[in-house]
Amino acid sequence: DAGVIQSPRHEVTEMGQEVTLRCKPISGHDYLFWYRQTMMRGLELLIYFNNNVPIDDSGMPEDRFSAKMPNASFSTLKIQPSEPRDSAVYFCASSLVESNQPQHFGDGTRLSIL
Amino acid sequence: AQSVTQLDSHVSVSEGTPVLLRCNYSSSYSPSLFWYVQHPNKGLQLLLKYTSAATLVKGINGFEAEFKKSETSFHLTKPSAHMSDAAEYFCVVTLYNFNKFYFGSGTKLNVKP
Repeated sequence: DAGVIQSPRHEVTEMGQEVTLRCKPISGHDYLFWYRQTMMRGLELLIYFNNNVPIDDSGMPEDRFSAKMPNASFSTLKIQPSEPRDSAVYFCASSLVESNQPQHFGDGTRLSIL
Repeated sequence: AQSVTQLDSHVSVSEGTPVLLRCNYSSSYSPSLFWYVQHPNKGLQLLLKYTSAATLVKGINGFEAEFKKSETSFHLTKPSAHMSDAAEYFCVVTLYNFNKFYFGSGTKLNVKP
């Protein structure tokens, strides 16, 4: 079975540029999560969706960050404009709607903002 | 409120010796608990999960964990460490019937030859 697929795997760009990260969840999963991982702050939940609807975006750091899920098989996380402090590894995860189901993680996008 | 505490940020063992990674949780409700492993430059992989069935849970790669409600602990163990076990391990708690995960800060396991 295909797992969660993220693209790109690596992104290097200059500050001020728009960055778009993409995620394809596992087919049939109802929940989708975006996380950010840094050495200083560890794993942080940014936002999650249920059936394509954003449920909790309290972890989104500021208005420069936005996330969409136009359909059940695709989500984007956008940063505009990007700043060096946004450099991190961004993970997407998905899970089934049944309670207590584990989240399945993609391999992440390593983002470097110069 | 829910939270999870991993008591050691780094653990170092010799190959062939037992592994113990400690995790304590707090939860107002019956929790579900998970252990994930993260190898360098990879995503998080599920090792095992506890969801109110047997208190001793067996996972992949020879790992197991025991849920102890009286101690609010969910420690991860393995009888004999292998070099390939070197990675970062995360303990996770979630509420029953709710999908939001609360991650521990992680424990980096070093395995010496």
